[in-house]
Parts: sequence; C-alpha cells; structure tokens
Amino acid sequence: SQTIHQWPATLVQPVGSPLSLECTVEGTSNPNLYWYRQAAGRGLQLLFYSIGIGQISSEVPQNLSASRPQDRQFILSSKKLLLSDSGFYLCAWSWGAREAFFGQGTRLTVV
Amino acid sequence: EDQVTQSPEALRLQEGESSSLNCSYTVSGLRGLFWYRQDPGKGPEFLFTLYSAGEEKEKERLKATLTKKESFLHITAPKPEDSATYLCAVQAPGANNLFFGTGTRLTVIP
Repeated sequence: SQTIHQWPATLVQPVGSPLSLECTVEGTSNPNLYWYRQAAGRGLQLLFYSIGIGQISSEVPQNLSASRPQDRQFILSSKKLLLSDSGFYLCAWSWGAREAFFGQGTRLTVV
Repeated sequence: EDQVTQSPEALRLQEGESSSLNCSYTVSGLRGLFWYRQDPGKGPEFLFTLYSAGEEKEKERLKATLTKKESFLHITAPKPEDSATYLCAVQAPGANNLFFGTGTRLTVIP
C-alpha cells in the first residue's frame, strides 16, 4: 500500500529565516505530487505540483519554491520567511488526474 | 471561472439526526468531484470520487450523490465520531490538481 510522510508536524520560525519542508511517498512510482496551503476558514490553495522529477509548476507567485530531487520526494522551501507564510502546509500525491491522498500536514508559525 | 461553494459553513446535529451537506460547482466538463473528511490539525482523508451525474457512492453512514450542478453528502444517523470538516473538490478538464471548497464543519452532539 501507499503511504505519504510529511515532516515536521509543527514548526516555529522567525521572520527572515529559511524553510525546508519535506514530503516522501512510499509504495508507488512516478506519482503526481502537490503542495497545498490551508489558511484558517479558507479552502486548500494549490502552491506547486509536479508530474515528474525536476518538473515543477507554480500556481501562486510567492516567497516559496519547490523541488523534486527524486521520484517520490517533494520539498517546499523558502530563503526568507515572511509573517504571511504562516499556515498549514499539506503535501499530497495522486496517480495522474485522480483523487489525491494527503499527508498529515505541517503547521508553520512565522514569528 | 471555476468555483466550488459548500453549504452550510457549519452544521450541528444531534446524534441520530440525519442531514445533508451541499457542494455546488461551476466547472465546464467536470472531470471528477471528490469528498474528503478533515479532522482538526490533520490532513484531509479521501472519502469518495464521483464522475458523472446520477452516480452514488456509499461508505458506512455516508452517501455521496452527484448532479450536473451539485453534489450532496448525506449523513444517516450520525455519531459523534462523524464530527469533522467535510471538504468537496472538483477537477476540471486538463487540470492536474483539485480545486477545493472551504468545507462544512460538522458537529454531532451526543
């Protein structure tokens, strides 16, 4: 069976510090991978998605970037965090254009 | 512009009191409609995928239905453990991602 791991679960970072969130998927190959952000009372906002190694599409211009160094690894990064980057970040995978399966999320608080 | 609207925003039910959650969408050529359950502080858990009008899916006390403009998530005789936020998402033609509504927060009171 397939599993998705996302870490850390919670993170408190000062403004201006770098960020690296990691997500890995097990039990499948060549999945589509996604990073979403969920703000309180709002729907999930797609940040990045990837259909293959090194192939990243950005949906929202912002202070964040994503990379896919390996088939089942997806990384969300920032060089300098802003207060507005606080939120709940979710990694997900899917087989092509089908239902997505989510990790447990990372609660990021920028102080 | 593709949109997904969920109603009500919040719903409180007594245990055993059946009800329905609504998800209305404006997507041309819907590729799929998805229901998720999300517990506080957790990632969404996949429930159902519906592909065409008239389709129905069931899982325990939950039943999802789809028309050309909306989907309903029917909850029969809910229990307190059904308390969660229920999210609806749609996929448009040519899209690689899902577009989510803001969810319905369900509370079932014992």
